[in-house]
Amino acid sequence: DTGVSQNPRHKITKRGQNVTFRCDPISEHNRLYWYRQTLGQGPEFLTYFQNEAQLEKSRLLSDRFSAERPKGSFSTLEIQRTEQGDSAMYLCASSLPGNYGYTFGSGTRLTVV
Amino acid sequence: GQNIDQPTEMTATEGAIVQINCTYQTSGFNGLFWYQQHAGEAPTFLSYNVLDGLEEKGRFSSFLSRSKGYSYLLLKELQMKDSASYLCAANQAGTALIFGKGTTLSVSS
Repeated sequence: DTGVSQNPRHKITKRGQNVTFRCDPISEHNRLYWYRQTLGQGPEFLTYFQNEAQLEKSRLLSDRFSAERPKGSFSTLEIQRTEQGDSAMYLCASSLPGNYGYTFGSGTRLTVV
Repeated sequence: GQNIDQPTEMTATEGAIVQINCTYQTSGFNGLFWYQQHAGEAPTFLSYNVLDGLEEKGRFSSFLSRSKGYSYLLLKELQMKDSASYLCAANQAGTALIFGKGTTLSVSS
C-alpha cells in the first residue's frame, strides 16, 4: 500500500479559474476526509465521505466548492471561480470506520494569483 | 459549540522534557488525538486517548482527563528532529476530527 496519494502537489492558478484536486485513499479505508490548512493554523474540516456517500459538509465549504467520490474509491475536490482567499494547503485523509487514526496525504498546495 | 485550545509556540533545548497542553470543549466527545506535523509535510499520527490516564509510547506520552476536558503530550529526551507543529484533535461521535491550531515547538542545541 502506498498510503494516501494527492495530486497535484502544487497548483498555481489565476483568480477566477476553476481547479480540481484528486485524492486516492488507502484502499481498505472507506472513510475519506478533506481539510484545508493555512499557514500557522491547524487543519480545518471541509467534508467527509463514507464510501460514496458525502455525510457532512462544513460551513467553510461554500457553493464554489464541490467534492465527489463517485465509486467509493478516489475523491475529487473542485473549486470554481477561485479567489485569493482560497490559497491554502488542501489535505486529504482516509480512515477505517470509527475515526481511529487518520492517514493524511501530502496535500495539494494551491496558490491563487 | 466546539473549541480546542493549545499554546501557539513553545521552545526547549535538546535532551529536555516538554509538555504541550490542550483543552477542549466538544459535544459527543469520543477521544483525543495528537499529530505531529513538520513544516510543509502532512500530519502524522502520534497518539490516541479515549480513556482517562496516561498512554506511553517511547519518548512520547499522552494524557487525558475527560472530566476536565484536558490533555497533554509529553516529549522526553528532546531531539532537534522533534521541532515541528503538534496538533491536538478531538474525535466527536459521528463526525470528523476537529483540530486545534497547533503548537509550534522549537528545539535548540
